[in-house]
Amino acid sequence: DTEVTQTPKHLVMGMTNKKSLKCEQHMGHRAMYWYKQKAKKPPELMFVYSYEKLSINESVPSRFSPECPNSSLLNLHLHALQPEDSALYLCASSPILKVGTEAFFGQGTRLTVV
Amino acid sequence: AQTVTQSQPEMSVQEAETVTLSCTYDTSENNYYLFWYKQPPSRQMILVIRQEAYKQQNATENRFSVNFQKAAKSFSLKISDSQLGDTAMYFCAFMKHGIPNNNDMRFGAGTRLTVKP
Repeated sequence: DTEVTQTPKHLVMGMTNKKSLKCEQHMGHRAMYWYKQKAKKPPELMFVYSYEKLSINESVPSRFSPECPNSSLLNLHLHALQPEDSALYLCASSPILKVGTEAFFGQGTRLTVV
Repeated sequence: AQTVTQSQPEMSVQEAETVTLSCTYDTSENNYYLFWYKQPPSRQMILVIRQEAYKQQNATENRFSVNFQKAAKSFSLKISDSQLGDTAMYFCAFMKHGIPNNNDMRFGAGTRLTVKP
């Protein structure tokens, strides 16, 4: 299994809603990532988890709250988002000790905040 | 800080022809890795090819090859015998060497490639 699975594929939420994005991989990767991608732009790193612990937070607003409950799952909890947070959210994973290995990406969740 | 520059926002090529996408980067690191990712309309980022900076030999993967010029900090992607399925956004990416591999990958702005029939 070489897949990173993200759910849902599409999400529309209001500014007062609370929602969660989910990401799952069964490749035994111990590094997992959240990226945000605006239209016609490259992915921007948001968070990195290493061995289920948050290791990088790229100064992301607190309305985005990541969680890594186990080595296969990564969540992104969303609360009180703004319309400018509408974007494609990509999850990725990689083997943590295999230096220089590329990240494997999911298909993303297209988020629209109304 | 590392920066990655892709100076061609859009390119097009006729089916079966060859096209080269440009990428330059800026770093003070000596050990690092370079990647080309493809993002088709399906949105998934797919690895096309990777290059280790300590290897002088240019990486190749079937129809895809790179021209890695370390001194010039250049990393171009050549696609031979272009196919309609190659139509996608192509991102050049840089990653520092590091253990553990926290994969702080930096992407260029991307080049939108259209293969015309």
